[in-house]
Amino acid sequence: AQSVTQLDSHVSVSEGTPVLLRCNYSSSYSPSLFWYVQHPNKGLQLLLKYTSAATLVKGINGFEAEFKKSETSFHLTKPSAHMSDAAEYFCVVSDPRGSGGYNKLIFGAGTRLAVHP
Amino acid sequence: SAVISQKPSRDICQRGTSLTIQCQVDSQVTMMFWYRQQPGQSLTLIATANQGSEATYESGFVIDKFPISRPNLTFSTLTVSNMSPEDSSIYLCSVPDSQVNNEQFFGPGTRLTVL
Repeated sequence: AQSVTQLDSHVSVSEGTPVLLRCNYSSSYSPSLFWYVQHPNKGLQLLLKYTSAATLVKGINGFEAEFKKSETSFHLTKPSAHMSDAAEYFCVVSDPRGSGGYNKLIFGAGTRLAVHP
Repeated sequence: SAVISQKPSRDICQRGTSLTIQCQVDSQVTMMFWYRQQPGQSLTLIATANQGSEATYESGFVIDKFPISRPNLTFSTLTVSNMSPEDSSIYLCSVPDSQVNNEQFFGPGTRLTVL
């Protein structure tokens, strides 16, 4: 079965310091993995995705993630946090057993990132 | 990408009543998805709505509680029936990327509070 575990429910960093949001996955298939961000009172936005191409994936706003099969991890990083990065982040795995030939998305519990001045 | 709008953006309802949430997409899509995000929690898929057929519900969700309509390729509604405070959540619709079926675009959500 497909699942994701986000290891931290809350992460707090100072502006200008690195960000690390941790995610481990479990998959019976070759996984497709995503990171979505949800700002307060706004919709979900795709940050980046891994779909079996390069293991280091670059996304929007300076975020990147590395797929490590041996560790079943897909951690999200950013070299320098900005105040505008404060949001909820979701690690997501795609489940190919969805209805109508479309993949289902399985969401992690989320990590709330706080950025302090 | 797809642009998705939802109505209402938020509502406060009394227990025992029902609320219908609308989802409009700016392009034709075969499949639409409805999710629930309970307070402080992650997103859970409620059902998949295929135009022209009955919606497919996930375990723990039933049609009597969450009836879905899909009258055309750009529109869907989700009704939350006989509401209780436990139904207080954000409800989101999404559509798959036309090019990549494992990627989805999400609407802004409907924030429902049941008193």
